[in-house]
Amino acid sequence: GDSVTQMEGPVTLSEEAFLTINCTYTATGYPSLFWYVQYPGEGLQLLLKATKADDKGSNKGFEATYRKETTSFHLEKGSVQVSDSAVYFCALSEEGRRDDKIIFGKGTRLHILP
Amino acid sequence: DAGVTQSPTHLIKTRGQQVTLRCSPKSGHDTVSWYQQALGQGPQFIFQYYEEEERQRGNFPDRFSGHQFPNYSSELNVNALLLGDSALYLCASSFRQTYEQYFGPGTRLTVT
Repeated sequence: GDSVTQMEGPVTLSEEAFLTINCTYTATGYPSLFWYVQYPGEGLQLLLKATKADDKGSNKGFEATYRKETTSFHLEKGSVQVSDSAVYFCALSEEGRRDDKIIFGKGTRLHILP
Repeated sequence: DAGVTQSPTHLIKTRGQQVTLRCSPKSGHDTVSWYQQALGQGPQFIFQYYEEEERQRGNFPDRFSGHQFPNYSSELNVNALLLGDSALYLCASSFRQTYEQYFGPGTRLTVT
């Protein structure tokens, strides 16, 4: 079945450092790919999305490019802030079908030190 | 525009009891999906309701059941609670099963 694998955390960085969180997926069809973020004490929020190969999703300085050839969707940010501390989930869904359940990775906890 | 709302926020139950969790979808949405997020894990899909019927189901036992009402709100019921059912239960709503899902804040269930 479809699955998502992301790098294990926690990841600890200093403020203004460059961030990469790796994510790879396995899917039989042509999924949409997502990054969700969960801030402490809050619900899941969609951070960014890409629906087809070579699309780049971006939001709040974060970016991720849908790479079909490597089945990857790595999350990057050039300069992280303390407020970026959260848990990040890579996910996929077979959007466009009735079966649009979202399949999540296990999450990567990010700590940013001032 | 109200987003997805869930009640209650927290719940403590004893093993063997039954629990009902509630979800109101975002305005304009007609599809509700439920997810279970165990501590330190990603959310796992439980089931999805559309047009008051269960349309898709994940790998969860029959102790987990649900309902969708004509106003699109939904309930998740869990019978014969086990310690392992302790988790954050997330509700997500979308439009016509084919659009982006919006998540509620979740209900934290603790089974003792």
